[in-house]
Amino acid sequence: GQQLNQSPQSMFIQEGEDVSMNCTSSSIFNTWLWYKQEPGEGPVLLIALYKAGELTSNGRLTAQFGITRKDSFLNISASIPSDVGIYFCAGHFSSGSRLTFGEGTQLTVNP
Amino acid sequence: DAGVIQSPRHEVTEMGQEVTLRCKPISGHDYLFWYRQTMMRGLELLIYFNNNVPIDDSGMPEDRFSAKMPNASFSTLKIQPSEPRDSAVYFCASSYGQGVGNEQFFGPGTRLTVL
Repeated sequence: GQQLNQSPQSMFIQEGEDVSMNCTSSSIFNTWLWYKQEPGEGPVLLIALYKAGELTSNGRLTAQFGITRKDSFLNISASIPSDVGIYFCAGHFSSGSRLTFGEGTQLTVNP
Repeated sequence: DAGVIQSPRHEVTEMGQEVTLRCKPISGHDYLFWYRQTMMRGLELLIYFNNNVPIDDSGMPEDRFSAKMPNASFSTLKIQPSEPRDSAVYFCASSYGQGVGNEQFFGPGTRLTVL
């Protein structure tokens, strides 16, 4: 089946630093999504990418759909303490297929 | 809209007992998904429904698990009998459609502990 490899597994950074995390797959994905999960809550959609090469921003967050359609990255600029949480990449292998999730990146921001 | 609603938020039970988790999807969403999250296996899709009909239950771990959607605004996930290895957070999610452009919105989850 399709698998997503997400890295790094965890990050410990200082407030104000920029953050970068990525997701790769051995298969081509038609959609890349980035979710954030805070403690005790469900994942919340941050950014959705639908076209190879697409670069999309949402405030301090920027994500790109890799040109090969097998990878995506998420950048967070000028991190703040409320950025703490688990960030998941997810994707659709094809329209109508299940949503496949990466293993998640646990982000800790020290004030 | 209130978003996806799940109940209970926390459930602690003893091995062998029946557990029922409940979900109310976002109004107007035709798809409903049940996921399980554990440290070891991450987020796993258990089953999903389209217009109240189960479409793919291949993720349901075993016969002890069952899910129903009697109407468009309510679904249940039942575990009978429960076992300690069922301890996890169970999420319900819903969407307008399936696949590209129809993104899933998650509920807050039910944290299940089976002693």
